[in-house]
Amino acid sequence: EAGVTQFPSHSVIEKGQTVTLRCDPISGHDNLYWYRRVMGKEIKFLLHFVKESKQDESGMPNNRFLAERTGGTYSTLKVQPAELEDSGVYFCASSRASEDPYEQYFGPGTRLTVT
Amino acid sequence: QKEVEQDPGPLSVPEGAIVSLNCTYSNSAFQYFMWYRQYSRKGPELLMYTYSSGNKEDGRFTAQVDKSSKYISLFIRDSQPSDSATYLCAMKTTSYDKVIFGPGTSLSVIP
Repeated sequence: EAGVTQFPSHSVIEKGQTVTLRCDPISGHDNLYWYRRVMGKEIKFLLHFVKESKQDESGMPNNRFLAERTGGTYSTLKVQPAELEDSGVYFCASSRASEDPYEQYFGPGTRLTVT
Repeated sequence: QKEVEQDPGPLSVPEGAIVSLNCTYSNSAFQYFMWYRQYSRKGPELLMYTYSSGNKEDGRFTAQVDKSSKYISLFIRDSQPSDSATYLCAMKTTSYDKVIFGPGTSLSVIP
């Protein structure tokens, strides 16, 4: 069974540019989560999809961040325009709908550097 | 006050030692307690979870939860160099799926 995959693994952009991160969850996992870790801080929750619907987006920092999950499969996280403080590692995780909600399987992350 | 506190280390131990990793938390609504292991440039990997209070053992790993003290621990017996990683404690309530992480403890097991 393939794990959670994320693309790209690393992105370097200039302040003011736009970046789109992609996450492919484990097949059959209806729950998809985005987290991020900025330098020196703990991993923090951004939002949670159940299929294509946003269940909880309480962690989204501001309206420069837009997450979508069209068709309930893969998800994208767009940052527009990027700011220096957006630099960090963005993790995606997925879990099954009705079993073991605490068992979130994480992808390797996308390392975003805003210069 | 942060919701979850964890000593960041780094912690360095000789191979074969018993390792004790700990976290404290402030939110009494947390019911699920997890430990993740994260190798460099990889995503967090779930090691163990506990629901509510008590102990759980899995091979060389033992997780303990003391809700009265808001304190959780992970013990690693007979530590191996392959255990060298960052260990993250994490928690969640029963109401929401979002996981709250501690900052992680960096562990090095020296051969």
